[in-house]
Amino acid sequence: EAGVAQSPRYKIIEKRQSVAFWCNPISGHATLYWYQQILGQGPKLLIQFQNNGVVDDSQLPKDRFSAERLKGVDSTLKIQPAKLEDSAVYLCASSLERGAEAFFGQGTRLTVV
Amino acid sequence: KNQVEQSPQSLIILEGKNCTLQCNYTVSPFSNLRWYKQDTGRGPVSLTIMTFSENTKSNGRYTATLDADTKQSSLHITASQLSDSASYICVVSFSGGSYIPTFGRGTSLIVHP
Repeated sequence: EAGVAQSPRYKIIEKRQSVAFWCNPISGHATLYWYQQILGQGPKLLIQFQNNGVVDDSQLPKDRFSAERLKGVDSTLKIQPAKLEDSAVYLCASSLERGAEAFFGQGTRLTVV
Repeated sequence: KNQVEQSPQSLIILEGKNCTLQCNYTVSPFSNLRWYKQDTGRGPVSLTIMTFSENTKSNGRYTATLDADTKQSSLHITASQLSDSASYICVVSFSGGSYIPTFGRGTSLIVHP
């Protein structure tokens, strides 16, 4: 069974630039999560989708972050404009349904300079 | 506010020794509790999951316990191996309809030869 795929693996950008991350969840998984993991901390949930609808985005900085999951499959997370404090690993995870085990991708390591 | 606190923050042990990691939570109403292992540069991988009615779950050398009354969980690692060096994250989901998972900050375990 293929796992959660994320790209790119690494990204370095200057502050105020834009960046986008892509996630392809496990086939058939209805729930998709985006997490931000700052070095030395646990993952922080940014947004949770159920199919193509948003379940929770209370911790998403909506002035600069946006996410979509068109057609309820792939998802993209965008940051515009980036700040230095956005440097982190962005993890995508998917689960068969809400509350079920979440499977994580390898993450995208973002460095903002 | 739903919170998950883990201790210790970091731990160093010798290969072959046992260790126990702690997780205290205030999530309510409780749905399930998972322990994840996160190797450096990788996404978290689920080790165990426990629901309200379960008080122990084993996965090889990993044994998790849950006391739902005191809202505490522990992860016991037996006969540690070098490959156990990783971050161990406690994740609690509350059953408030959305099953939003709340992550602890993790315990960083280093196993020395």
